Amino acid sequence: NAGVTQTPKFQVLKTGQSMTLQCAQDMNHEYMSWYRQDPGMGLRLIHYSVGAGITDQGEVPNGYNVSRSTTEDFPLRLLSAAPSQTSVYFCASSYGAGDNSPLHFGNGTRLTVT
Amino acid sequence: SQKIEQNSEALNIQEGKTATLTCNYTNYSPAYLQWYRQDPGRGPVFLLLIRENEKEKRKERLKVTFDTTLKQSLFHITASQPADSATYLCALDGGGATNKLIFGTGTLLAVQP
Repeated sequence: NAGVTQTPKFQVLKTGQSMTLQCAQDMNHEYMSWYRQDPGMGLRLIHYSVGAGITDQGEVPNGYNVSRSTTEDFPLRLLSAAPSQTSVYFCASSYGAGDNSPLHFGNGTRLTVT
Repeated sequence: SQKIEQNSEALNIQEGKTATLTCNYTNYSPAYLQWYRQDPGRGPVFLLLIRENEKEKRKERLKVTFDTTLKQSLFHITASQPADSATYLCALDGGGATNKLIFGTGTLLAVQP
């Protein structure tokens, strides 16, 4: 099993450009989420999904869109990149919710916005 | 709002010693707490989960305690090895049936040979 796969690994954008960060999992997990990790701050939840067709906002959703058309894929879209979105982005999945479902993380996308 | 604190200073210990990492939280009563390991350039990897009604959980050389009165969890690695060097993150459940987690900033552990 590949687990959680994120692409690309690195990306440089200019302010105002748009892009999509890809995330795919092959574990048939219902729950998927996007976090960003910045120096001196813990992982912060951007958006999450509890199943295909269902998404909701996390702690820091502004400037990001998501959709969940299939169980496997959960792309994160930056509509108009800003320098404040420079970060490392992690996608995670779990079988369900609660204390029997730890998160499985991808290896991240390092995004720089100039 | 919920707040999680982990020691931001790196913890340096000698190989063979026990490493103890601390996670304190405020303004919350989590149903469970999780510990993850993160290596440079990689995503976090789940290690252990402990529930609010459990005092202690063990897995091989790892031990986690959970004191809901002190609002603190301790993470121990016994007989530490250089390969244990990494950043360790604690995370609290964010409530609700959504698996939202609130993460601490992590503590970097360096085990010297």
